[in-house]
Amino acid sequence: DIVMTQNPLFLSVTPGQPASISCKSSQSLLHANGKTYLDWYLQRPGQPPQLLIYEVSNRFSGVSDRFSGSGSGTDFTLRISRVEAEDVGAYYCMQSRQALTFGGGTKVDIK
Amino acid sequence: QITLKESGPTLVKPTQTLTLTCTFSGFSLTTSGVGVGWIRQPPGQALEWLAVTYWNGDNRYSPLLHSRLTITKDASRNQVVLTMTNMDPVDTATYYCAHRLVYFDWAGLFDYWGQGTPVTVSS
Repeated sequence: DIVMTQNPLFLSVTPGQPASISCKSSQSLLHANGKTYLDWYLQRPGQPPQLLIYEVSNRFSGVSDRFSGSGSGTDFTLRISRVEAEDVGAYYCMQSRQALTFGGGTKVDIK
Repeated sequence: QITLKESGPTLVKPTQTLTLTCTFSGFSLTTSGVGVGWIRQPPGQALEWLAVTYWNGDNRYSPLLHSRLTITKDASRNQVVLTMTNMDPVDTATYYCAHRLVYFDWAGLFDYWGQGTPVTVSS
């Protein structure tokens, strides 16, 4: 099974400042077709998860351009350019290269 | 507009079988590339994928829970049912169903989620 490891577990950010979350996979997520199937989800408090980023760097419909994804192989990063109050919640990466596995999550709050 | 809603018991006893239903609208499970998956989240913990069923009859399961899970679909009624046998207190969680777009093999994404249904396992 592919294990997804996120860091940090918790992140406290001043509004307007950037934030960055790391996600590492135990195996390469690069598929033979040249694509990498790594998604990011945000779960706001009391809400179901919502898709933010798919295939490493593609923003889902309606997602703010303050969110960006990057990475390759086994190392991936979600960046928030300027954190806002509505960004509070837990962020999860998920791979679909082989079965489906989520990272352990990163909780973001506002200072 | 795609919507999904989970339903089922909020309380089950240890060793019992859990049956959850996902009722959806705004898409068809006969459309190529479409699936519905189940994901759960124990209180204060991370998400865990359980199972997914696809338009073509392909069903896939978490390797860790495969022996306890069965996913079925009724495309005509727009429903997907998940059963989990031999429930244990560690299975206490909120259970979500979600719409999945799949490109091929495992590759795809969960783009719409239900609100989730809480399940407690206790005697």
